Amino acid sequence: NAGVTQTPKFRVLKTGQSMTLLCAQDMNHEYMYWYRQDPGMGLRLIHYSVGEGTTAKGEVPDGYNVSRLKKQNFLLGLESAAPSQTSVYFCASSWGVQRYNEQFFGPGTRLTVL
Amino acid sequence: GNSVTQMEGPVTLSEEAFLTINCTYTATGYPSLFWYVQYPGEGLQLLLKATKADDKGSNKGFEATYRKETTSFHLEKGSVQVSDSAVYFCALLNSGGSNYKLTFGKGTLLTVNP
Repeated sequence: NAGVTQTPKFRVLKTGQSMTLLCAQDMNHEYMYWYRQDPGMGLRLIHYSVGEGTTAKGEVPDGYNVSRLKKQNFLLGLESAAPSQTSVYFCASSWGVQRYNEQFFGPGTRLTVL
Repeated sequence: GNSVTQMEGPVTLSEEAFLTINCTYTATGYPSLFWYVQYPGEGLQLLLKATKADDKGSNKGFEATYRKETTSFHLEKGSVQVSDSAVYFCALLNSGGSNYKLTFGKGTLLTVNP
């Protein structure tokens, strides 16, 4: 049982390049989330999904797109990377939004945009 | 809207010292409250949680009590160890409605010296 995994772990992009971050979970969770973590800012929600085939915007969605074609995978795309997107990206999953449900986090992807 | 305020760090303690990290929140309704811990180079892990007023969450010697009257969820540990060095995040999850996201505080870096 691997929990939540993320690939890649590190990536360096040039401004304007595109890339996709992959998140996978093997816990059969319905809900999945993408966060970014910046110094002094805590974690901010980018996009989330409440089930296969669904996506929704979070707090800071601009410049990102997501897809949830399979229940176990949640992809985060950057179509044209900008230096402001330099951050650590965390994926999380949970059974649902009930008050007792915790979110399980992946190990993170450190992205640098030059 | 929802917000979480936690004491700014960094916090530096000697081994076996007493730890308190303050957390207060603003939310409508009756949120669930969480403490997450992030060890160096890793993702976030749930440390403890409380889902209703006066609940006490506890784990690994840490504890926090959900105080509705003071809107607080302070984290405490009686005797810290070097292995407790990490970043600690307070977070809330609002129940019901369409609010699916955790709201995080900015994090408090704890360093425990031998």
